[in-house]
Amino acid sequence: GEDVEQSLFLSVREGDSSVINCTYTDSSSTYLYWYKQEPGAGLQLLTYIFSNMDMKQDQRLTVLLNKKDKHLSLRIADTQTGDSAIYFCAEGLTGGGNKLTFGTGTQLKVEL
Amino acid sequence: GAVVSQHPSWVICKSGTSVKIECRSLDFQATTMFWYRQFPKQSLMLMATSNEGSKATYEQGVEKDKFLINHASLTLSTLTVTSAHPEDSSFYICSARGGTSGSNQETQYFGPGTRLLVL
Repeated sequence: GEDVEQSLFLSVREGDSSVINCTYTDSSSTYLYWYKQEPGAGLQLLTYIFSNMDMKQDQRLTVLLNKKDKHLSLRIADTQTGDSAIYFCAEGLTGGGNKLTFGTGTQLKVEL
Repeated sequence: GAVVSQHPSWVICKSGTSVKIECRSLDFQATTMFWYRQFPKQSLMLMATSNEGSKATYEQGVEKDKFLINHASLTLSTLTVTSAHPEDSSFYICSARGGTSGSNQETQYFGPGTRLLVL
């Protein structure tokens, strides 16, 4: 079955790096995504990584994928107060209707 | 690019009435649209997958007669909550997938959500 787990809450100081972790169970995932949700809003796609990659960097965001351990992480460098939001990881399967299975979400709070 | 809109952004209705929510892909053709619901402080739960011109595929436990989905064009899908009850109050979010090639075909782009409150 598909099960995606995240820690519920993370608090960091402004300027520090944030690392949000995600574990998944379906080894046939093709793409893994990170989405950001601000209060009362929809989901904003931040970045994604193809399952045959180990790392992807996009400006302040770094995604690391350990396929052996089924572990995905999102690192936000120089975290700002505007980064405060809920972050969801999601796994997608090509050929399965491209359905996404979302993690439980991690609320990131950035303090001054 | 890849903008998805939803209308209305919020709606309050009386118990027993029906509510229609629209999801539009504004700058691309969406071959597939997805409907999710999200309860407070919880993750998104997929309700159904909708392909243009065909019947929607509902997830287990989702009543297809209660949540009517129509995907009549490549840019518009609608979700109608029929005979809404207070337990249907939730945040409904659609997403759209499409594009011409490469990873854009795989990625889902989300609408801003519709908050439904049934009194």
